[in-house]
Amino acid sequence: QVQLVQSGAEVKKPGASVKVSCKASGYTFTNYYIHWVRQAPGQGLEWMGIINPNGAGTTYAQRFQGRVTMTRDTSTNTVYMELSSLSSEDTALYYCARRVVVASTAALDMWGQGTLVTVSS
Amino acid sequence: AIQMTQSPSSLSASVGDRVTITCRASQGIRNDLGWYQQKPGKAPKLLIYAASTLQSGVPSRFSGSGSGTDFTLTISSLQPEDFATYYCLQDYNYPWTFGQGTKVEIK
Repeated sequence: QVQLVQSGAEVKKPGASVKVSCKASGYTFTNYYIHWVRQAPGQGLEWMGIINPNGAGTTYAQRFQGRVTMTRDTSTNTVYMELSSLSSEDTALYYCARRVVVASTAALDMWGQGTLVTVSS
Repeated sequence: AIQMTQSPSSLSASVGDRVTITCRASQGIRNDLGWYQQKPGKAPKLLIYAASTLQSGVPSRFSGSGSGTDFTLTISSLQPEDFATYYCLQDYNYPWTFGQGTKVEIK
């Protein structure tokens, strides 16, 4: 079945970087863009960016420009989101989600289980 | 970036009630809007896309409407499993932006 499986929880110190993985299965990996969304504890959803697994083109939210890098490995059907210069404000659940396009609009129809990143000294 | 203003931020309702949640975009977004349900400890789930199209497997008590700047999610008869937080998400242009969320609680 179609699924996105993310890597496990991470604890990082301020100033460090974290790299979260999202492994896709059950569909043709290169046919669907992957988005990253995060959710701080008790807060709403925040869109971070998108990667096209076919060609690796990316678009990032302005607030993460220069700190986030999204990459992919087509040999393992995995996308990665790396966030650098971490601060306590980056403590959040990070989700990957698959984008589908239907009749000229788009939506996120499949989500990973989330990866908790905790930034603490 | 397009701002999505969602209201109310929370509401209390009883099983069987009709519930309406609204989302307003800071500029016209055609019908490029989806609605997502999130339960505690779980990933969001797509309910509606293209403002009014029900995602496969989603109960018909959920419906969406609107176009341009004003959108509505309606639950015609609230069920126990519907108590959750709901988010709108515009996919008109990047950066995609979410509404602040509406928490639907048991009255």
